[in-house]
Amino acid sequence: GDSVTQMEGPVTLSEEAFLTINCTYTATGYPSLFWYVQYPGEGLQLLLKATKADDKGSNKGFEATYRKETTSFHLEKGSVQVSDSAVYFCALRGGPTGNQFYFGTGTSLTVIP
Amino acid sequence: ETGVTQSPTHLIKTRGQQVTLRCSSQSGHNTVSWYQQALGQGPQFIFQYYREEENGRGNFPPRFSGLQFPNYSSELNVNALELDDSALYLCASSPGTSGSRGRHIQFFGPGTRLTVL
Repeated sequence: GDSVTQMEGPVTLSEEAFLTINCTYTATGYPSLFWYVQYPGEGLQLLLKATKADDKGSNKGFEATYRKETTSFHLEKGSVQVSDSAVYFCALRGGPTGNQFYFGTGTSLTVIP
Repeated sequence: ETGVTQSPTHLIKTRGQQVTLRCSSQSGHNTVSWYQQALGQGPQFIFQYYREEENGRGNFPPRFSGLQFPNYSSELNVNALELDDSALYLCASSPGTSGSRGRHIQFFGPGTRLTVL
């Protein structure tokens, strides 16, 4: 079945460092791909999405490109800030009905000044 | 425009009991999905409702059931609670249709923390 495999954390970076969080997926159809973020004490928020191959989602300096050939959707940011400290979840929308969301296990990011 | 709200915030039950969790969708949203998030894990899809009918179900036993009402609010019911049911239960709403295939974004509520003793 459809699934998402996400880089395990926790990840600790210094402010202004480059961030990559790896995400690969398995899907029988043509899923849409998402990154969600969960800040401390808050609910899940959509960070960015891509609905077809080669699409690039971007938001708040974060980017991810839908790579069908490598079944990947890695999250990147060129210069992280302390305020980016959160848990990041990769997800796909697919499954038998095309409406099911499958999430990765989450990657905790801590950015230190 | 109000966001997705869930009640209660926290709940403690004992094994074998039944629980009902509630979700109020964002205004104008006709689709609601429920997820179970165990500690340190990602959310696991339980089921989705579109215009009061189930529109997809994850790998959860029948003792997990749901309802969606005409105003698009929703309930998650869990019977015969087990210790492993302890988790954060998330509700997410979207303006999607059953054939949208990812064009619609889901907005998540803050969740209900269920503890089963």
